Amino acid sequence: NAGVTQTPKFQVLKTGQSMTLQCAQDMNHEYMSWYRQDPGMGLRLIHYSVGAGITDQGEVPNGYNVSRSTTEDFPLRLLSAAPSQTSVYFCASSYSRQGDTEQYFGPGTRLTVT
Amino acid sequence: AQTVTQSQPEMSVQEAETVTLSCTYDTSESDYYLFWYKQPPSRQMILVIRQEAYKQQNATENRFSVNFQKAAKSFSLKISDSQLGDAAMYFCAYSYTGTASKLTFGTGTRLQVTL
Repeated sequence: NAGVTQTPKFQVLKTGQSMTLQCAQDMNHEYMSWYRQDPGMGLRLIHYSVGAGITDQGEVPNGYNVSRSTTEDFPLRLLSAAPSQTSVYFCASSYSRQGDTEQYFGPGTRLTVT
Repeated sequence: AQTVTQSQPEMSVQEAETVTLSCTYDTSESDYYLFWYKQPPSRQMILVIRQEAYKQQNATENRFSVNFQKAAKSFSLKISDSQLGDAAMYFCAYSYTGTASKLTFGTGTRLQVTL
Protein backbone atom coordinates (compact mmCIF):
# COMPACT_ATOMS: atom_id res chain seq x y z
CA ASN A 1 0.00 0.00 0.00
CA ALA A 2 1.94 3.02 -1.28
CA GLY A 3 -0.63 5.61 -0.13
CA VAL A 4 -0.50 8.85 -2.14
CA THR A 5 2.36 9.15 -4.60
CA GLN A 6 3.46 12.19 -6.57
CA THR A 7 5.86 12.54 -9.45
CA PRO A 8 8.18 14.22 -10.03
CA LYS A 9 9.67 15.28 -6.69
CA PHE A 10 11.42 18.29 -8.23
CA GLN A 11 10.94 20.13 -11.51
CA VAL A 12 12.35 23.24 -13.13
CA LEU A 13 10.40 24.82 -15.96
CA LYS A 14 10.91 27.81 -18.17
CA THR A 15 8.18 30.43 -18.43
CA GLY A 16 5.57 29.35 -20.96
CA GLN A 17 6.30 25.63 -20.80
CA SER A 18 3.57 23.20 -19.91
CA MET A 19 3.75 20.11 -17.74
CA THR A 20 1.67 17.65 -15.74
CA LEU A 21 2.17 16.84 -12.09
CA GLN A 22 1.13 13.28 -11.43
CA CYS A 23 -0.80 12.07 -8.39
CA ALA A 24 -1.97 8.55 -7.67
CA GLN A 25 -3.48 6.78 -4.68
CA ASP A 26 -4.05 3.09 -4.09
CA MET A 27 -6.51 3.38 -1.20
CA ASN A 28 -9.66 3.56 -3.35
CA HIS A 29 -10.33 7.03 -2.00
CA GLU A 30 -13.23 8.92 -3.49
CA TYR A 31 -11.99 12.42 -2.78
CA MET A 32 -8.75 13.92 -4.13
CA SER A 33 -7.38 17.43 -4.11
CA TRP A 34 -4.41 19.60 -5.04
CA TYR A 35 -2.88 22.26 -2.80
CA ARG A 36 -0.01 24.63 -3.27
CA GLN A 37 2.24 25.78 -0.46
CA ASP A 38 3.97 29.14 -0.64
CA PRO A 39 6.23 30.64 2.03
CA GLY A 40 4.24 32.42 4.71
CA MET A 41 0.89 31.45 3.20
CA GLY A 42 0.13 27.91 4.31
CA LEU A 43 -1.53 25.52 1.88
CA ARG A 44 -4.20 26.71 -0.53
CA LEU A 45 -6.63 24.55 -2.45
CA ILE A 46 -6.24 24.60 -6.24
CA HIS A 47 -8.74 21.99 -7.51
CA TYR A 48 -10.51 19.02 -6.06
CA SER A 49 -12.49 15.99 -7.19
CA VAL A 50 -15.27 14.13 -5.40
CA GLY A 51 -15.09 11.13 -7.72
CA ALA A 52 -14.14 9.97 -11.19
CA GLY A 53 -15.39 12.43 -13.79
CA ILE A 54 -16.19 15.17 -11.24
CA THR A 55 -13.88 18.10 -10.54
CA ASP A 56 -14.30 21.59 -9.16
CA GLN A 57 -12.25 24.69 -8.47
CA GLY A 58 -10.70 25.59 -5.18
CA GLU A 59 -9.33 28.89 -3.94
CA VAL A 60 -6.55 29.42 -6.52
CA PRO A 61 -7.47 27.58 -9.76
CA ASN A 62 -6.18 30.00 -12.39
CA GLY A 63 -3.45 28.59 -14.62
CA TYR A 64 -4.19 24.98 -13.68
CA ASN A 65 -6.26 22.24 -15.24
CA VAL A 66 -7.39 18.91 -13.81
CA SER A 67 -9.32 15.85 -14.87
CA ARG A 68 -10.27 12.63 -13.09
CA SER A 69 -10.76 9.73 -15.46
CA THR A 70 -10.06 7.04 -12.84
CA THR A 71 -10.46 6.76 -9.09
CA GLU A 72 -6.71 6.31 -8.64
CA ASP A 73 -5.27 9.23 -10.61
CA PHE A 74 -5.67 12.98 -10.40
CA PRO A 75 -3.12 14.83 -12.56
CA LEU A 76 -2.58 18.59 -12.35
CA ARG A 77 -1.71 20.36 -15.59
CA LEU A 78 0.10 23.67 -15.88
CA LEU A 79 -0.88 25.05 -19.25
CA SER A 80 1.70 27.85 -19.57
CA ALA A 81 3.99 28.05 -16.56
CA ALA A 82 4.60 31.41 -14.92
CA PRO A 83 7.09 32.39 -12.18
CA SER A 84 4.12 32.95 -9.85
CA GLN A 85 3.51 29.20 -10.01
CA THR A 86 6.81 28.47 -8.30
CA SER A 87 5.65 26.55 -5.26
CA VAL A 88 5.44 23.20 -3.55
CA TYR A 89 2.44 21.19 -4.71
CA PHE A 90 0.68 18.62 -2.58
CA CYS A 91 -1.88 16.07 -3.62
CA ALA A 92 -4.22 14.67 -0.98
CA SER A 93 -6.94 12.04 -0.81
CA SER A 94 -9.60 10.88 1.61
CA TYR A 95 -12.16 8.09 1.59
CA SER A 96 -15.12 10.34 2.22
CA ARG A 97 -16.44 13.71 1.24
CA GLN A 98 -17.24 14.48 4.86
CA GLY A 99 -15.22 17.17 6.53
CA ASP A 100 -14.14 14.96 9.39
CA THR A 101 -12.23 12.37 7.43
CA GLU A 102 -8.48 12.41 7.46
CA GLN A 103 -6.78 13.59 4.32
CA TYR A 104 -3.69 11.67 3.31
CA PHE A 105 -1.04 13.83 1.70
CA GLY A 106 1.56 12.92 -0.87
CA PRO A 107 5.22 13.88 -0.40
CA GLY A 108 4.94 17.00 -2.55
CA THR A 109 6.49 18.30 -5.76
CA ARG A 110 8.78 21.32 -5.64
CA LEU A 111 8.31 23.31 -8.84
CA THR A 112 10.49 26.22 -9.91
CA VAL A 113 9.55 28.35 -12.91
CA THR A 114 12.32 30.56 -14.28
CA ALA B 1 -15.55 32.73 3.64
CA GLN B 2 -13.78 31.00 6.45
CA THR B 3 -10.33 32.08 7.55
CA VAL B 4 -7.74 30.56 9.84
CA THR B 5 -5.17 32.72 11.64
CA GLN B 6 -1.97 31.64 13.33
CA SER B 7 -0.40 34.70 14.90
CA GLN B 8 2.86 33.07 16.04
CA PRO B 9 5.25 32.61 13.10
CA GLU B 10 7.84 30.98 15.36
CA MET B 11 7.92 29.43 18.81
CA SER B 12 10.67 27.84 20.83
CA VAL B 13 10.47 25.33 23.67
CA GLN B 14 13.00 23.44 25.72
CA GLU B 15 13.02 19.70 25.64
CA ALA B 16 10.59 18.18 28.18
CA GLU B 17 8.74 21.48 28.59
CA THR B 18 5.23 22.37 27.45
CA VAL B 19 4.34 24.75 24.64
CA THR B 20 1.04 26.07 23.33
CA LEU B 21 0.45 27.08 19.72
CA SER B 22 -2.41 29.46 19.01
CA CYS B 23 -5.03 29.36 16.28
CA THR B 24 -8.16 31.39 15.70
CA TYR B 25 -10.68 30.96 12.93
CA ASP B 26 -13.68 32.67 11.52
CA THR B 27 -16.75 30.91 10.18
CA SER B 28 -20.49 31.37 10.07
CA GLU B 29 -21.07 27.61 10.17
CA SER B 30 -21.97 25.69 13.31
CA ASP B 31 -20.89 22.22 12.17
CA TYR B 32 -17.24 21.91 11.23
CA TYR B 33 -13.94 20.27 12.07
CA LEU B 34 -10.59 21.61 13.12
CA PHE B 35 -7.21 19.98 12.66
CA TRP B 36 -3.57 20.41 13.55
CA TYR B 37 -1.07 19.15 10.98
CA LYS B 38 2.65 18.77 11.50
CA GLN B 39 5.13 19.30 8.66
CA PRO B 40 8.69 18.22 9.49
CA PRO B 41 11.64 19.10 7.24
CA SER B 42 10.76 16.09 5.08
CA ARG B 43 7.73 18.12 3.90
CA GLN B 44 5.30 15.30 4.68
CA MET B 45 1.99 16.55 6.12
CA ILE B 46 1.06 14.54 9.22
CA LEU B 47 -2.26 14.79 11.03
CA VAL B 48 -1.64 15.44 14.72
CA ILE B 49 -5.11 15.87 16.16
CA ARG B 50 -8.71 16.50 15.13
CA GLN B 51 -11.63 18.22 16.88
CA GLU B 52 -15.31 18.06 16.01
CA ALA B 53 -17.06 21.36 16.64
CA TYR B 54 -20.12 19.70 18.13
CA LYS B 55 -18.05 18.01 20.82
CA GLN B 56 -17.39 20.08 23.91
CA GLN B 57 -14.69 17.74 25.15
CA ASN B 58 -11.22 18.70 24.03
CA ALA B 59 -9.40 16.14 21.88
CA THR B 60 -6.25 14.46 23.19
CA GLU B 61 -3.67 12.30 21.45
CA ASN B 62 -0.87 11.19 23.77
CA ARG B 63 1.27 14.31 24.43
CA PHE B 64 -0.90 16.51 22.21
CA SER B 65 -4.10 18.14 23.37
CA VAL B 66 -6.25 21.04 22.24
CA ASN B 67 -8.11 23.83 23.95
CA PHE B 68 -11.21 24.36 21.84
CA GLN B 69 -13.22 27.47 22.65
CA LYS B 70 -16.11 27.51 20.18
CA ALA B 71 -17.60 30.83 21.23
CA ALA B 72 -14.23 32.53 20.98
CA LYS B 73 -13.38 30.62 17.78
CA SER B 74 -10.09 29.59 19.26
CA PHE B 75 -8.28 26.27 18.81
CA SER B 76 -4.87 26.03 20.47
CA LEU B 77 -2.52 23.05 20.50
CA LYS B 78 -0.64 22.07 23.63
CA ILE B 79 2.43 19.87 23.34
CA SER B 80 3.54 18.37 26.64
CA ASP B 81 6.96 16.87 27.38
CA SER B 82 8.36 18.31 24.15
CA GLN B 83 10.79 16.16 22.23
CA LEU B 84 13.39 17.00 19.60
CA GLY B 85 11.24 15.19 17.04
CA ASP B 86 8.44 17.70 17.63
CA ALA B 87 10.43 20.39 15.82
CA ALA B 88 8.43 21.19 12.69
CA MET B 89 5.95 23.56 11.10
CA TYR B 90 2.51 23.22 12.60
CA PHE B 91 -0.58 24.17 10.62
CA CYS B 92 -4.05 24.73 11.95
CA ALA B 93 -6.80 23.82 9.47
CA TYR B 94 -10.57 24.07 9.19
CA SER B 95 -13.06 21.97 7.28
CA TYR B 96 -16.77 22.56 6.98
CA THR B 97 -18.81 19.37 7.20
CA GLY B 98 -20.55 19.89 3.90
CA THR B 99 -17.58 20.93 1.76
CA ALA B 100 -16.10 17.63 0.72
CA SER B 101 -13.09 17.69 2.99
CA LYS B 102 -11.76 20.96 1.64
CA LEU B 103 -9.24 22.26 4.12
CA THR B 104 -8.51 25.91 4.85
CA PHE B 105 -5.08 26.30 6.42
CA GLY B 106 -3.45 28.90 8.60
CA THR B 107 -0.02 30.25 7.74
CA GLY B 108 1.77 27.97 10.16
CA THR B 109 3.96 28.18 13.26
CA ARG B 110 7.55 26.98 13.17
CA LEU B 111 8.38 25.19 16.42
CA GLN B 112 11.97 24.86 17.55
CA VAL B 113 12.88 22.45 20.33
CA THR B 114 16.10 23.16 22.21
CA LEU B 115 18.14 21.06 24.59
